[in-house]
Amino acid sequence: NAGVTQTPKFQVLKTGQSMTLQCAQDMNHEYMSWYRQDPGMGLRLIHYSVGAGITDQGEVPNGYNVSRSTTEDFPLRLLSAAPSQTSVYFCASSPSGYEQYFGPGTRLTVT
Amino acid sequence: AQSVSQHNHHVILSEAASLELGCNYSYGGTVNLFWYVQYPGQHLQLLLKYFSGDPLVKGIKGFEAEFIKSKFSFNLRKPSVQWSDTAEYFCAVNPSGGYQKVTFGTGTKLQVIP
Repeated sequence: NAGVTQTPKFQVLKTGQSMTLQCAQDMNHEYMSWYRQDPGMGLRLIHYSVGAGITDQGEVPNGYNVSRSTTEDFPLRLLSAAPSQTSVYFCASSPSGYEQYFGPGTRLTVT
Repeated sequence: AQSVSQHNHHVILSEAASLELGCNYSYGGTVNLFWYVQYPGQHLQLLLKYFSGDPLVKGIKGFEAEFIKSKFSFNLRKPSVQWSDTAEYFCAVNPSGGYQKVTFGTGTKLQVIP
């Protein structure tokens, strides 16, 4: 199993550009989440999904959209990038909604 | 809403020293508790978890944690650290029963000096 995979590993965007961060898992987990990690702030939940077709907002959802058309994929869309979205983004999946299995992360810089 | 506090932001230890990292949470009901580790340049990995039962849980690489319900604490311990334990450690909590959002602490950076 590849586990949780994320692409790209690094990305630089200009303010106002849009992009999609990809996340896929091959463990047939129902639950998937997106977090951002910023220095001194730990991980903060952006959006999560409890199954295909079902998504909900986390702690910091503004400026991000998600969809879950399949169990495997959970892309995160930045609608209009802002410097405040410079961060490391982690996707995670979970079989139960409790312990999380994380992907390798995407380091995003918005200039 | 629950919250998680990790009061030690940066800990420096010599090899073979004992480790204890504090984690306190605020939530009035039953919780599930986790410790994750993030080695430099890597993603977070689950170190150990507590759902119920014996409040002393053992994880990978010689780590253990004790759940003290009366103190709302879930401190991480290791009797003798190694240089390879240098990493950032995150405590996390979510309420039991159905899917609930996981809340992470702000993390503790551990530096082990050879």
